[in-house]
Amino acid sequence: QSALTQPPSASGSPGQPVTISCTGTSSDVGGYNYVSWYQQHPGKAPKLMIYEVSKRPSGVPDRFSGSKSGNTASLTVSGLQAEDEADYYCSSYAGTNNLVVFGGGTKLTVL
Amino acid sequence: EVQLVESGGGLVQPGGSLRLSCAASGFTFSSYWMYWVRQVPGKGLVCVSRINGDGSSTTYADSVKGRFTISRDNAKNTLYLQMNSLRAEDTAVYYCARATNGCYGYWGQGTLVTVSS
Repeated sequence: QSALTQPPSASGSPGQPVTISCTGTSSDVGGYNYVSWYQQHPGKAPKLMIYEVSKRPSGVPDRFSGSKSGNTASLTVSGLQAEDEADYYCSSYAGTNNLVVFGGGTKLTVL
Repeated sequence: EVQLVESGGGLVQPGGSLRLSCAASGFTFSSYWMYWVRQVPGKGLVCVSRINGDGSSTTYADSVKGRFTISRDNAKNTLYLQMNSLRAEDTAVYYCARATNGCYGYWGQGTLVTVSS
């Protein structure tokens, strides 16, 4: 399984929106509604931010949202805040016999 | 509260072995698939192995197949990763995680494995 494709970096000013893309194939992102997004601060474990494409776990601010179109999923952070500066990873279910695939990660910088 | 606590990491020479453990609490351990995910420092996340609830089904990434063995002891609520024939490229932080339908909802704090002479 190949990794999902994410842009290596993204940035935005406080209060502005930013969108991070995650491109896979019909065998992963496009084939299932099981795309997740994780936030990781330096030295910390990843934290689940979005699951099943667009659902937010309890405690995740509603400025984080997810969507999917075809083989590409997206994470949007509306109203950027300083604490949103982190690495973001997408992942997708890839079928019963395959391990979950991750994207390469996107470093989000709040300008 | 779900808790996953890894242990067993450290410095090992190329060709050596190490066993990682992950102590789970706060949920019915035997009901969940469990995973090991690794992260080379400064790089991305890669799932290396998974095991089903009763331990009868396992999956490995090609990069570790034949060298790593995942197992679990449901009586002790503990997940293991036996790593043999270690290589420099296995150097990473290893996380245990609980996942459902490809979503890793819970992660441990990670344990660093360094393979170096």
